[in-house]
Amino acid sequence: AQKVTQAQTEISVVEKEDVTLDCVYETRDTTYYLFWYKQPPSGELVFLIRRNSFDEQNEISGRYSWNFQKSTSSFNFTITASQVVDSAVYFCALRGGFKTIFGAGTRLFVKA
Amino acid sequence: GAGVSQTPSNKVTEKGKYVELRCDPISGHTALYWYRQSLGQGPEFLIYFQGTGAADDSGLPNDRFFAVRPEGSVSTLKIQRTERGDSAVYLCASSLGGFNTGELFFGEGSRLTVL
Repeated sequence: AQKVTQAQTEISVVEKEDVTLDCVYETRDTTYYLFWYKQPPSGELVFLIRRNSFDEQNEISGRYSWNFQKSTSSFNFTITASQVVDSAVYFCALRGGFKTIFGAGTRLFVKA
Repeated sequence: GAGVSQTPSNKVTEKGKYVELRCDPISGHTALYWYRQSLGQGPEFLIYFQGTGAADDSGLPNDRFFAVRPEGSVSTLKIQRTERGDSAVYLCASSLGGFNTGELFFGEGSRLTVL
């Protein structure tokens, strides 16, 4: 069975702090994709990044970076120098085959 | 519009009533998904369409829930004999289809409240 666990329910930081959102997944598939999505207060889920199971290279995009480690089945997301606009719920997701399943999400509060 | 469109954005109904929620995916997207999101939870998979056919309906909670996509574009999620526990935001997503893409484009959701 596939499962995504985001153990952090809520995180609160002060602007300019770095913050890491944890994601642990379970799957028996050898080929799969991992994703992060952002859900701002307006409600619409927005895609941030996709990683396939054969590519463990870390990725950086501006203030965002992702650390994928198959050995620990983790796909963590770090925001550097957080900003108030980063406040949202962040979901980690796993796709094997055609179905994408989501974790419960981590709500991030960034205070000015 | 260019994005996934869902109607209605809000629906309030009484227990026992029938409800239809509509999703208009991005043009050219062959894959369409329905999810349900309860307060404080992540999206829960309901059903996946590839073209006109339901390729995976394993997430539908019971036989009161049904979805169609007759022409491979617009989809309708139908809920019969609604119950208070059906209250949630119903999200629709589409993608290009096939395995190599995977990224989902979501609509803003239809918030269903069953009184």
